[in-house]
Amino acid sequence: GDSVTQMEGPVTLSEEAFLTINCTYTATGYPSLFWYVQYPGEGLQLLLKATKADDKGSNKGFEATYRKETTSFHLEKGSVQVSDSAVYFCALSDLGGGYQKVTFGTGTKLQVIP
Amino acid sequence: NAGVTQTPKFQVLKTGQSMTLQCAQDMNHEYMSWYRQDPGMGLRLIHYSVGAGITDQGEVPNGYNVSRSTTEDFPLRLLSAAPSQTSVYFCASSPGTGRGVDTEAFFGQGTRLTVV
Repeated sequence: GDSVTQMEGPVTLSEEAFLTINCTYTATGYPSLFWYVQYPGEGLQLLLKATKADDKGSNKGFEATYRKETTSFHLEKGSVQVSDSAVYFCALSDLGGGYQKVTFGTGTKLQVIP
Repeated sequence: NAGVTQTPKFQVLKTGQSMTLQCAQDMNHEYMSWYRQDPGMGLRLIHYSVGAGITDQGEVPNGYNVSRSTTEDFPLRLLSAAPSQTSVYFCASSPGTGRGVDTEAFFGQGTRLTVV
């Protein structure tokens, strides 16, 4: 079945540091890939997505490229801010039994210190 | 635009009690789902629905019931609460399965449930 593997956290960075959160996936079909972010006490919200190989999703300075050859969708940001502190979830969306099925990774907590 | 609304935000139950977590969306989405979030385990799918009158089990359905009588509402019922059901529960919706796999999910703010 489908699966998503993310690097374990927590990740602690100083403000303005470079961020990479690794994500790899296993899927039987042609999935779309997502990064969701969860701020403290809130639900998940979409950060970015990519729907086919070599697509790059970007939003709020974050980027991730859909790499089919390495089955990866790593999240990057050049300069993190304290306000980026949150839990980040990688997810894939595929068809299961004819319906959209979403599989989430376990989440990576990011803490940015001033 | 309210999006996905969950109630209550917090709940404490005694073992054996029953309760219903409410979820409503105002975006006319076909697809709705319930997840539980536990430390180190990410989000796990409990039940989902692809339209009014149609529901199916997810990864961890035991101890939970759902129904979908309208497009807007998708309540989750715990018939006899157990401490293992202590978790944060999220309801999500997305536009529809017929639109392919690239549609995002919209989440409610969650219900933090403690069973003592």
